[in-house]
Amino acid sequence: DVKVTQSSRYLVKRTGEKVFLECVQDMDHENMFWYRQDPGLGLRLIYFSYDVKMKEKGDIPEGYSVSREKKERFSLILESASTNQTSMYLCASSWGQIQETQYFGPGTRLLVL
Amino acid sequence: RKEVEQDPGPFNVPEGATVAFNCTYSNSASQSFFWYRQDCRKEPKLLMSVYSSGNEDGRFTAQLNRASQYISLLIRDSKLSDSATYLCVVKWSGGFKTIFGAGTRLFVKA
Repeated sequence: DVKVTQSSRYLVKRTGEKVFLECVQDMDHENMFWYRQDPGLGLRLIYFSYDVKMKEKGDIPEGYSVSREKKERFSLILESASTNQTSMYLCASSWGQIQETQYFGPGTRLLVL
Repeated sequence: RKEVEQDPGPFNVPEGATVAFNCTYSNSASQSFFWYRQDCRKEPKLLMSVYSSGNEDGRFTAQLNRASQYISLLIRDSKLSDSATYLCVVKWSGGFKTIFGAGTRLFVKA
């Protein structure tokens, strides 16, 4: 079974803090993704990566950055957390081409006060 | 207009009922289509891919209508365990662009 893990299930941070969310997958997948999920808006892609050290902006990259130094690990960084970044953050990974299934981690529910 | 639109529901149906969800997409270059299921406070998981000729997996049937740009999911003989949010997912050709619908909530009651 594919396993995607995320560093925290719940996180509470203060406005202006730097926040790191980590994601690890154990299936040697090339592609990794970070989404946020908000009620009524569905999942929105923040960034994705199709190879080590490669990254592409998704639909809502502002206020976020990412790092992929190793194939199995994809980190999402909130440089200076703001209250509008309170959300559920979901990491996913997939193998190969666009028709391949994405496997999701359990999510991190982030509250920014 | 959203790129992928779903009726948010909720759909409240009794056990044993048949229920259908539709999803419309705006980009005619869309290439791949999926239904994911998301249980409350859990991550989305693939339910089934949607093929041009339509496909069935047990009680679940998925259809694609490219001319009208919509996909559908039919659930027959609903079970309590089918209660979840169903996400329509569309992928565009030529890249990694994946669009998730906001989801349709289903409640199956005894």
